[in-house]
Amino acid sequence: KQEVTQIPAALSVPEGENLVLNCSFTDSAIYNLQWFRQDPGKGLTSLLLIQSSQREQTSGRLNASLDKSSGRSTLYIAASQPGDSATYLCAVGYNFNKFYFGSGTKLNVKP
Amino acid sequence: DADVTQTPRNRITKTGKRIMLECSQTKGHDRMYWYRQDPGLGLRLIYYSFDVKDINKGEISDGYSVSRQAQAKFSLSLESAIPNQTALYFCATSDPGDSAYEQYFGPGTRLTVT
Repeated sequence: KQEVTQIPAALSVPEGENLVLNCSFTDSAIYNLQWFRQDPGKGLTSLLLIQSSQREQTSGRLNASLDKSSGRSTLYIAASQPGDSATYLCAVGYNFNKFYFGSGTKLNVKP
Repeated sequence: DADVTQTPRNRITKTGKRIMLECSQTKGHDRMYWYRQDPGLGLRLIYYSFDVKDINKGEISDGYSVSRQAQAKFSLSLESAIPNQTALYFCATSDPGDSAYEQYFGPGTRLTVT
């Protein structure tokens, strides 16, 4: 059974800090990895998708990296803002059809 | 309009009742998924469908059934609801031709079984 772990479970930082969220997975034969943002009581918003052949993807202040050999992905958020406060989820895709989610990192950015 | 919609958005029902959650999408994707989310557990896959004639069980399918009425519609049913099915339910779509199976999620249905 594939396992996806996100550390830390919660993180509180002052506005302006750069931060890193971690996602690790046990089976390195992945097809892709997707990072999501979830606001309280809301759906999931896709942030970045990394295919297995890629090492990183960037969108604005966000950068996601992938190291399949070590079973890890990181989401880097530059110059954090209070509006970044949310839960961040990673989902690892296998065999074109099954996705396994981590339990998320709850981020609070203090003004 | 949203690409993936779910109805109802909130539902309270009693133990033993049958309930159906509906999902519609306008993205033209073949693949559709149902997940449930419980606090602290992340999302778990209930069922997935590659097309109208292809439906597969996910990680936690017991107590649930699905119907793919059309490419755009995928319904999840609880035949006899029980309290531990209280959760947030999400529908998602993906397609190989659209950013290599990137998943797109609906807004979710909050289900409470009393």
